[in-house]
Amino acid sequence: EIVMTQSPATLSVSPGERATLSCRASQSVSSNLAWYQQKPGQAPRLLIYSASTRATGIPARFSGSGSGTEFTLTITSLQSEDFAVYYCQQYNNWPPITFGQGTRLEI
Amino acid sequence: QVQLVESGGGVVQPGRSLRLSCAASGFNFSDYAMHWVRQAPGKGLEWVALISHDGSTEYYADSVKGRFTISRDNSKNTTYLQMNGLRSEDTAVHYCARVRDSSYWYLPHFDLWGQGTLVTVSS
Repeated sequence: EIVMTQSPATLSVSPGERATLSCRASQSVSSNLAWYQQKPGQAPRLLIYSASTRATGIPARFSGSGSGTEFTLTITSLQSEDFAVYYCQQYNNWPPITFGQGTRLEI
Repeated sequence: QVQLVESGGGVVQPGRSLRLSCAASGFNFSDYAMHWVRQAPGKGLEWVALISHDGSTEYYADSVKGRFTISRDNSKNTTYLQMNGLRSEDTAVHYCARVRDSSYWYLPHFDLWGQGTLVTVSS
């Protein structure tokens, strides 16, 4: 099973600033990595797939990078609606499909 | 409207059974593999099971293998999760989710999620 580790667990930033979230895989997942945003009481929302491709309707301030075992989600010019929990997910080697434990982005 | 709507959650005693349903609308359901993903209260996401577009292939997380069964009825645009031998650790919001690209079911990431249904296992 591929273990996904996200850091930091909590990231405190201010609106308008830039946030950088990290995700590490225990073995290579190539570029088969997705990022999701989840707000309280809501289902996850797909932001990024194939490590760097924005999903339909996702603003350009969200960007993903990386391959192999190291990945980054960057959110520039943070908006109030961006404060949420973010999860990475690998789909290169499954089952099982595995998620990171999440990074909480807070003000 | 493209959507998934789960139902069937509730409070159940340990060892009992429950069947969840996920009704799809607004897209060609029979083209898509479907998954169940769950989230324990205050915890992260855990993948549970997959069923292929035609129901011929199933995969399960080790934590539910032998206890849960995923199925689908393409004539009703619905996928199901039969949960037997429920344990306290199965307490979670259970989501059904659609893979983003029906042609690439083997690269599963999810662009459509239901609102979730809460299963609480407690005596």
